[in-house]
Amino acid sequence: RKEVEQDPGPFNVPEGATVAFNCTYSNSASQSFFWYRQDCRKEPKLLMSVYSSGNEDGRFTAQLNRASQYISLLIRDSKLSDSATYLCVSALGQNFVFGPGTRLSVLP
Amino acid sequence: EPEVTQTPSHQVTQMGQEVILRCVPISNHLYFYWYRQILGQKVEFLVSFYNNEISEKSEIFDDQFSVERPDGSNFTLKIRSTKLEDSAMYFCAKVTAREAFFGQGTRLTVV
Repeated sequence: RKEVEQDPGPFNVPEGATVAFNCTYSNSASQSFFWYRQDCRKEPKLLMSVYSSGNEDGRFTAQLNRASQYISLLIRDSKLSDSATYLCVSALGQNFVFGPGTRLSVLP
Repeated sequence: EPEVTQTPSHQVTQMGQEVILRCVPISNHLYFYWYRQILGQKVEFLVSFYNNEISEKSEIFDDQFSVERPDGSNFTLKIRSTKLEDSAMYFCAKVTAREAFFGQGTRLTVV
């Protein structure tokens, strides 16, 4: 299994800020990419899949650059409830490889 | 309703004891994974289980570990002779090509 690396964090931002997370993956054969959110001592939950064309879901925008093996997540107008650890995931078939996560704290 | 339910939610055991962690899928899915997450560290793959057989396992999944589907529905992860470093969250996940659905996890504390 190859590795996924992420910004080490933590990121502490004020409410309303825009924050960007970066991720790189080493397995060029990876087919699918995801961002998961994990709250403290809880299970990871899917935030969004990442497509080559880039995709947006409300305040969240994900981008994929296959040539650079780079994935990003942008959160606009951050809310207190966005505080969590964000996990970058690459997958080959059903083999999911998780990054170490980047912790985000949104401050009032 | 969660796709996967795990029991117990928290288990405390003495070093050297055996523990069995259980995973109950809601639907009759064939492909299941066990992951481990040591506190503050990343989610690590342990083993995948397909159609009642181990499909793939990581270097973490040594002879101390075993998986079974004892009654055709539940999945179990057994850890023999637990060590202090086995303390972690253990997640069972139903995995498709589109998503991994995690159970709530079992927090194992070895003392």
